[in-house]
Amino acid sequence: ETGVTQTPRHLVMGMTNKKSLKCEQHLGHNAMYWYKQSAKKPLELMFVYSLEERVENNSVPSRFSPECPNSSHLFLHLHTLQPEDSALYLCASSLAPLARSTDTQYFGPGTRLTVL
Amino acid sequence: AQTVTQSQPEMSVQEAETVTLSCTYDTSESDYYLFWYKQPPSRQMILVIRQEAYKQQNATENRFSVNFQKAAKSFSLKISDSQLGDAAMYFCAYRSAHAGGTSYGKLTFGQGTILTVHP
Repeated sequence: ETGVTQTPRHLVMGMTNKKSLKCEQHLGHNAMYWYKQSAKKPLELMFVYSLEERVENNSVPSRFSPECPNSSHLFLHLHTLQPEDSALYLCASSLAPLARSTDTQYFGPGTRLTVL
Repeated sequence: AQTVTQSQPEMSVQEAETVTLSCTYDTSESDYYLFWYKQPPSRQMILVIRQEAYKQQNATENRFSVNFQKAAKSFSLKISDSQLGDAAMYFCAYRSAHAGGTSYGKLTFGQGTILTVHP
């Protein structure tokens, strides 16, 4: 275990549903990340939060809406998704909000999302 | 923009043997960090080893070592005395050392290499 948990581990939803993914880190970190892992593609960074402020949005469609209420929790709210959004969604956290360090990102187990 | 390329989609090794996974990257920056992450089947991705670009010495963590060739922009991972538990998808990743801007904290990953270990 890396100290980062994600729920649910598996989610099946229709295109008209609204659901949320949850990530929690127990490491005292200040930065949290959402990644998308699709088959046969590199991991793609979606969002970065540092000290609860969004610092990067990698041109992600608005049907994905992140929320970071505090430094330990991160959510990804989903609505009107498409079948191509089916993927493994990974959350990660790191200690330092500054890039200039050997700051390591710790990953959660992921949520396997299937959009029907 | 930085890119990371892992040219070996799959590799296999006999238990107790040595295997090397390849990674190349493209960047115009001189200061950055490189990582190898391991993702076992249905398990969490964990850090295997990391390298600071300003260090000439290759990083080593027990049975894992890297061959960092900065001029060639190459960062290979060597696994010695392979064990069954080493079977996983391995990802090479790059992160800029510059704070701020669009490179903030961003890890750029390669496509991954699936490693199979045969008993």
